[in-house]
Amino acid sequence: SSELTQDPAVSVTLGQPVRITCQGDSLRNSYASWYQQKPGQAPLLVIFGRNNRPSGIPDRFSGSSSGNTASLIITGAQAEDEADYYCHCQDNNVPHWVFGGGTQLTVL
Amino acid sequence: QVQLQESGPGLVKPSETLSLTCTVSGGSINTYHWAWIRQPPGKGLEQIGYVYDTGNGHYNPSLKSRVTISLDTAKNQFSLRLNSVTAADTAIYYCGRLRLTRGIDSWGQGALVTVSS
Repeated sequence: SSELTQDPAVSVTLGQPVRITCQGDSLRNSYASWYQQKPGQAPLLVIFGRNNRPSGIPDRFSGSSSGNTASLIITGAQAEDEADYYCHCQDNNVPHWVFGGGTQLTVL
Repeated sequence: QVQLQESGPGLVKPSETLSLTCTVSGGSINTYHWAWIRQPPGKGLEQIGYVYDTGNGHYNPSLKSRVTISLDTAKNQFSLRLNSVTAADTAIYYCGRLRLTRGIDSWGQGALVTVSS
């Protein structure tokens, strides 16, 4: 199956923007979904499709995509955004979905 | 608002079968797709597979030979069976609702399953 690659860790200064990226061949044909996971909690869907937020997700979260790379953008990172973030999409070759390895976001 | 809850043994012996059930409330299991995901302690997420309303399943190629996911529409539940487990199968197991245009938009709280003798 295809792989999705994420940077293991990213840091951002409080109030500044941050981009978390996800790379993989599957992203050429499928949009990524993005999840936020805080310690001891189940993941939470924050972005899906071209750039859609589920109800209740702040509008500082957005998504974009170009070629084989998907991005999650947080404009004005808040302390409560400190979490692990995972991308997820449908595999090109088989009817299966794959996750990226996850990015640990630290808000300084 | 759909809610999901995992249930099953928290301890399984090596070489035996791991069995978990996810109970869905607030919505019918006859629509959407239903997935199992796992997360080894301190590691990332891995999708195990999913099943949909016909009862057909699609599985992670790396686990396909050991996995079965099934639906019980009468009980509004779906289940996971993973055969021949080893310590590497120790993880938090999540069930979730998979929408093909969204990803997994509803998650259970997770169930820790430890494989140990």
